[in-house]
Amino acid sequence: NAGVTQTPKFRVLKTGQSMTLLCAQDMNHEYMYWYRQDPGMGLRLIHYSVGEGTTAKGEVPDGYNVSRLKKQNFLLGLESAAPSQTSVYFCASRDGRLAEQFFGPGTRLTVL
Amino acid sequence: QQQVKQSPQSLIVQKGGISIINCAYENTAFDYFPWYQQFPGKGPALLIAIRPDVSEKKEGRFTISFNKSAKQFSLHIMDSQPGDSATYFCAASGDNNRKLIWGLGTSLAVNP
Repeated sequence: NAGVTQTPKFRVLKTGQSMTLLCAQDMNHEYMYWYRQDPGMGLRLIHYSVGEGTTAKGEVPDGYNVSRLKKQNFLLGLESAAPSQTSVYFCASRDGRLAEQFFGPGTRLTVL
Repeated sequence: QQQVKQSPQSLIVQKGGISIINCAYENTAFDYFPWYQQFPGKGPALLIAIRPDVSEKKEGRFTISFNKSAKQFSLHIMDSQPGDSATYFCAASGDNNRKLIWGLGTSLAVNP
């Protein structure tokens, strides 16, 4: 049981490049979330999904897109990366009957 | 506008001492208050959580105290150990999608 996994672990992009971060969970959870964590800012919700085929905006959605084509996967896309998107990105998932969110190990992204 | 205010920003405690971290919230619709623990390079993990119908919850050395009228809740770590050295986040949620609003975190160092 791997829990929540994220790929890649590290990535360096140049301004304007695009990339996709992958989150996978093997707990059959309905809910999935993408957060970014910045020093002094805590965690902020980017987008979330309440089930396969659904997505919704969180607190800081601008510059990001998401897709949930399969229940176990939640993808976060950056179409045109900016230095302000340098951050650590965390994915989390949750059983719809419970409140606890389970987090992945994070992806450290640097945009030059 | 920060809806969950956490203090202190950092805390140094001697081994065996009591660590206390405080959080205050504004939204009276919040009905779920978790504390997460994060070690360097890892994702946050749920430590303990409380709902507003109880004033205290204890799990081992960790206790949440909740004051609904003051809109405050705190984490107490009894007999603090060096292995407790981590960043602690309080959070709050008040909707069915369990979108969490996070405090900014407290970096705890327990000296041996």
